[in-house]
Order: sequence, then structure tokens, then C-alpha cells
Amino acid sequence: LAKTTQPISMDSYEGQEVNITCSHNNIATNDYITWYQQFPSQGPRFIIQGYKTKVTNEVASLFIPADRKSSTLSLPRVSLSDTAVYYCLEGGYQKVTFGTGTKLQVIP
Amino acid sequence: EPEVTQTPSHQVTQMGQEVILRCVPISNHLYFYWYRQILGQKVEFLVSFYNNEISEKSEIFDDQFSVERPDGSNFTLKIRSTKLEDSAMYFCASRGTGLNTEAFFGQGTRLTVV
Repeated sequence: LAKTTQPISMDSYEGQEVNITCSHNNIATNDYITWYQQFPSQGPRFIIQGYKTKVTNEVASLFIPADRKSSTLSLPRVSLSDTAVYYCLEGGYQKVTFGTGTKLQVIP
Repeated sequence: EPEVTQTPSHQVTQMGQEVILRCVPISNHLYFYWYRQILGQKVEFLVSFYNNEISEKSEIFDDQFSVERPDGSNFTLKIRSTKLEDSAMYFCASRGTGLNTEAFFGQGTRLTVV
């Protein structure tokens, strides 16, 4: 069963860049890596997705090495509103499994 | 922006009662999911649904649970006889086709079993 591992929590000051790394040693060949953000009592919200190398959108960047056994979500210049739980997911259509997530606390 | 809609936002029910949680997925999506999240814990996969049938389910999704797409727009989760431990947030999600499409989640239904 595929499983992701990421740090349980991280603290960062406002304005800093935050990098959250996830390991997915048994990722399947066809699976994409997706990151979600979740605020308390809300549904998970899509941040970014990639298969290999680097992907960037208006919110974040995602770095995936050639072996695809890990990925790093990079959030540039975080603000207090980025305080949330960040989940790294791997999966195909049938099942997408959430790990325990990383609780990011942004400090003023 | 299209969104997944869930109703009700909060449901309180007595133990042993049946509940139906409703979801309206994004209209052109073909894959549908239910997840649950017990307070303070991670999001847990329950079931995925495609082409009018269950494509995968977790060990949590036992005989007390069922899903249905009754009218081509709604997607429902039924719990036949609720237990105290069914109290959780239940999230519905949907996604389109294509290898790199993401799942969109609803805002959830908070189910409280008393």
C-alpha cells in the first residue's frame, strides 16, 4: 500500500520561504504527486500537482527528483494566512490516500 | 469557479438512526469520492465511485455504508445505523478525466451522533 511520509509540524516566520518535503518511496509509475492545503473545519484545497522535475503556479512550486521517491513543496514568502495543514498525496483515479500532513504554523 | 456542494453543513442524529449525506459534484466530472475526518485526525478515504459503481473502498466502508448517484447530479453517502464513532466531518470530492486532474473537495458535512 502506497504511503507518504512528511514532518508532523513546522514553524516559520512571516515572509520566509517554506519547504515541506514528502517521501513516497513506493509511488506507482502512473501516479502523480499532489499537494493539498486544509484549514480547520474546511475541505482540502488543491495547491499543486506534478509528475517529475519542477512545477510552478501562482501559489507554490513543486520539486520532484528523477527517482520520484520524494517531493518538496515550496511556499514563497509565507503569510499568517498560510497557517494550515499541508498534505502530500500520491494516487490514481481509484484511490487517493492522505497522509498525516504537515501542520505549518506561521509566526508574525 | 465550479465547486462541489455538500448538504447539510451540520447534521445531528441519534445513535442507530440512518443518515444520508448529499453532494453535488462538479457537473462534468466522472470520478466521485467520500472521505471522512474525525476531529483532530487525518483525512481518511472511504470510497471511490465511477461509471455508476464503486471502484474502490476502504476497510472503514463496511456494510453500514452505501453510496448512490440517484439522478445523475447528486452523489449520496448513506449510513444505515449510526454509531457514536461515526461522528466526523465527511467530505465529498470529484474529479474529471485526464492523468493530471486534481480532485475538488466540498466544504464537508459535520455529522454528530448522540
